[in-house]
Amino acid sequence: GQQLNQSPQSMFIQEGEDVSMNCTSSSIFNTWLWYKQDPGEGPVLLIALYKAGELTSNGRLTAQFGITRKDSFLNISASIPSDVGIYFCAAQNSGGSNYKLTFGKGTLLTVNP
Amino acid sequence: GAGVSQTPSNKVTEKGKYVELRCDPISGHTALYWYRQSLGQGPEFLIYFQGTGAADDSGLPNDRFFAVRPEGSVSTLKIQRTERGDSAVYLCASSADRNTEAFFGQGTRLTVV
Repeated sequence: GQQLNQSPQSMFIQEGEDVSMNCTSSSIFNTWLWYKQDPGEGPVLLIALYKAGELTSNGRLTAQFGITRKDSFLNISASIPSDVGIYFCAAQNSGGSNYKLTFGKGTLLTVNP
Repeated sequence: GAGVSQTPSNKVTEKGKYVELRCDPISGHTALYWYRQSLGQGPEFLIYFQGTGAADDSGLPNDRFFAVRPEGSVSTLKIQRTERGDSAVYLCASSADRNTEAFFGQGTRLTVV
């Protein structure tokens, strides 16, 4: 089936540093999304991207939908301790199965105060 | 309630037993989804309901897994003859319709011993 390759698997950074993570696929997708999951909780949507080349910000978070439609990245600026968690990319096709989310394996972010 | 509610939060069962996992979606949401998240992985799609009917059950791993949504609201995921490999977090999500944002519950952590 379709797979998303997410990297890095984990990151350990100091508070205040910027973070970047990305996701690639061999298939084209029409929507890219980024989620955050805290321990014992379900994923929460951070940013959704709907057009190739789109660059969208949500506070300190910025994400881009690659022009090839096969990749996306997420940047977090000036990290703070509450940014700790697992970040997942996800993608959707258009058409009949557009409800189905395909997820990457996640990036575990640790922020050292 | 305000969000998607899943019960129980944790379930430990013996190999070979039958289990039921419950999902209460956000009121008024017609679309409901089940995903399975194994340790260190992203969620994987299991089944999608539109109203009372299972519109796509292509993600169910085998015929030991079954899900229902008889009144178009609460859904139950049923697993027969559980195996140790079924151990995972089972996530439920709902959305107003198939084209809008899906909101996840906190998940049920199933452990088969």
